[in-house]
Amino acid sequence: DIVMTQSPDSLTVSLGERATINCKSSQSVLFSSNNKDYLAWYQHKPGQPPKLLIYWASTRESGVPDRFSGSGSGTDFTLTISSLQAEDVALYYCQQYYNIPLTFGGGTKVEIK
Amino acid sequence: QVQLVESGGGVVQPGRSLRLSCAASGFTFSSYGMQWVRQAPGKGLEWVAIIWYDGTYKYYADSVKGRFTISRDNSKDTLSLQMNSLRAEDTAVYYCAKNRRLGGGTSPLDYWGQGTVVTVSS
Repeated sequence: DIVMTQSPDSLTVSLGERATINCKSSQSVLFSSNNKDYLAWYQHKPGQPPKLLIYWASTRESGVPDRFSGSGSGTDFTLTISSLQAEDVALYYCQQYYNIPLTFGGGTKVEIK
Repeated sequence: QVQLVESGGGVVQPGRSLRLSCAASGFTFSSYGMQWVRQAPGKGLEWVAIIWYDGTYKYYADSVKGRFTISRDNSKDTLSLQMNSLRAEDTAVYYCAKNRRLGGGTSPLDYWGQGTVVTVSS
């Protein structure tokens, strides 16, 4: 199984500042035949279902604000919130969909300082 | 718009069974794979199972393999999860979710239901 490791576990950032979340996979999730990284990011707020933010490591889902961006390839990935807003307080998860079983990272809690 | 509505959750004793359902609407259900994901109290998201758009392939997390069965009825736009031999560690919110990708294969999940709570306790 591919193990997804996120860091940090929690993050406290001032409004308007940058938040950076890291995700590392235990093996590459880059599929060589199409040169795509099978990596997604989700936002999860209490009492709501998770929301897809990013897929293919860096493609923003429709309707997601452009302050959210994904980067990285192979085994190392980053989700960046360029200017944190109050509504961004949530848990964030990375997920690989390269192999079954699909696996999630442990989550990163983002809070306002 | 896309809607996924889970039902069937509840309190059940260890060793007993429960069947979850997910009613889908707002998209061509028979064209998309579907998945179940759960979140135990105080824990992160855990992938449970996936079923191909036509039901030909089904895969499970090791933690539920042999006990849970995912299925779908494309004539009724319904996804199901039959859960047998339930354990305390199966206690969680269970979400059904739609593959973003058309057809078969793995995929990120672009729509999720609100979830249904399963509590396994004596």
